[in-house]
Amino acid sequence: SQTIHQWPATLVQPVGSPLSLECTVEGTSNPNLYWYRQAAGRGLQLLFYSVGIGQISSEVPQNLSASRPQDRQFILSSKKLLLSDSGFYLCAWSAPARGSFDEQYFGPGTRLTVT
Amino acid sequence: SQQGEEDPQALSIQEGENATMNCSYKTSINNLQWYRQNSGRGLVHLILIRSNEREKHSGRLRVTLDTSKKSSSLLITASRAADTASYFCATGGLSQGGSEKLVFGKGTKLTVNP
Repeated sequence: SQTIHQWPATLVQPVGSPLSLECTVEGTSNPNLYWYRQAAGRGLQLLFYSVGIGQISSEVPQNLSASRPQDRQFILSSKKLLLSDSGFYLCAWSAPARGSFDEQYFGPGTRLTVT
Repeated sequence: SQQGEEDPQALSIQEGENATMNCSYKTSINNLQWYRQNSGRGLVHLILIRSNEREKHSGRLRVTLDTSKKSSSLLITASRAADTASYFCATGGLSQGGSEKLVFGKGTKLTVNP
């Protein structure tokens, strides 16, 4: 069966510090991968998605970047965090070749607080 | 924007009652999905209904889709305390740039009191 991992679960970082959040998927090959951010009490905002190694699409201009160095690894990064980067970050995957708007499967999330 | 909007924003019911949540959207869709999120956790996919379907069932869940009204409803029958969570609708379709994407609404927070 497929599983998705995210770490760390919680993170407190000062403004101006770098960020690296990691997401890995097991049990599937060539998944579509997504990074979302959820502000407190709000819906999900799609940040990045990837349909393959090295292929990253950005949905909104921001202080963040994403990379996919391996088939089942998706990394969210920032060189200098802003207060507005605080939020709950969710990684998700969907089956390949079925469209990125088919059902998605989410990781447990990372709670990021920028102080 | 094709973003779904759930209604109500919050719903509090007693165990055993039915809970109905609604979702409205603005543009053409390929499908509409419902997800559940327990507090501080990731989302769990509940059910997907395609644009050519009108109703779908899964256990205690019943989803309807009215593409003429651009709306969907999620009915949870005989609710349990464990159903307490936020429920999100998500619409699948093409973004303005032509790529496929899933767009989430802001959710309905359901509280089921024992």
